[in-house]
Amino acid sequence: DAKTTQPPSMDCAEGRAANLPCNHSTISGNEYVYWYRQIHSQGPQYIIHGLKNNETNEMASLIITEDRKSSTLILPHATLRDTAVYYCIVRAADRGSTLGRLYFGRGTQLTVWP
Amino acid sequence: DADVTQTPRNRITKTGKRIMLECSQTKGHDRMYWYRQDPGLGLRLIYYSFDVKDINKGEISDGYSVSRQAQAKFSLSLESAIPNQTALYFCATSDYGLEQYFGPGTRLTVT
Repeated sequence: DAKTTQPPSMDCAEGRAANLPCNHSTISGNEYVYWYRQIHSQGPQYIIHGLKNNETNEMASLIITEDRKSSTLILPHATLRDTAVYYCIVRAADRGSTLGRLYFGRGTQLTVWP
Repeated sequence: DADVTQTPRNRITKTGKRIMLECSQTKGHDRMYWYRQDPGLGLRLIYYSFDVKDINKGEISDGYSVSRQAQAKFSLSLESAIPNQTALYFCATSDYGLEQYFGPGTRLTVT
C-alpha cells in the first residue's frame, strides 16, 4: 500500500529548520496526510496531520501543496532529540470506517547533528 | 503514568513455547492494534480491534491470535513461537481518527 514516497535519509544542523518532503501523487480527495516519528526502538509518536490547509502545532508545521500531491513537514528548530525516523502516511479518516489502519513504510531517517 | 502500557518489555523464549504479550490503555479508546517491527522495516499490522466484539486480521496474522478482554485490554498470543517471530511488538490505540497512540514496545526473542 505504498502511497507515499520519502527520501531514505536526511540530516540537519541543530537549531536549523528540518524540512522533510513527502510525495503522495495519487492521494484521494478524502485522504489526510499524517506524520509520525519513531525515535530509536520506541513506539511511534503522532506529530501532525492535515487535509488541504497548512497546519501548525507545538511540534511542527505541515505544508501541503495546492494540488495535494506533496507535502513538507517542518521542524522549525531541530534539536538532537528530533533524530528519528519520520513516517508520512496517507489515509482516509471516515468515522466507523475499517480504514482506520495505518500503513507505515520505511520513512526518512532524520539525523540532527550538533 | 503512561497511557498505553505493554508487558513484558523484553522476553526471551524458546521455539515451540506459548507466549502472551499484554497491552493496557487508559485513554478510553475503542480501537486497539498490534504491530510488529523488524530491523530496517516499517511497522506491519498483525491484528486490530474496533471494539470488544470486533476483531480483525491484519497483514500478517498467521501464527498469532488475540483476545480483547475489555475495552482497555488487548492481548497478543503466539501459540507456538518460532524464531522468525523475533521482533519488536507494539500495541496502539485510537479513537475514530488516525491519531494512534503507541506503547513502548515489547522486544521478543525466540531462540
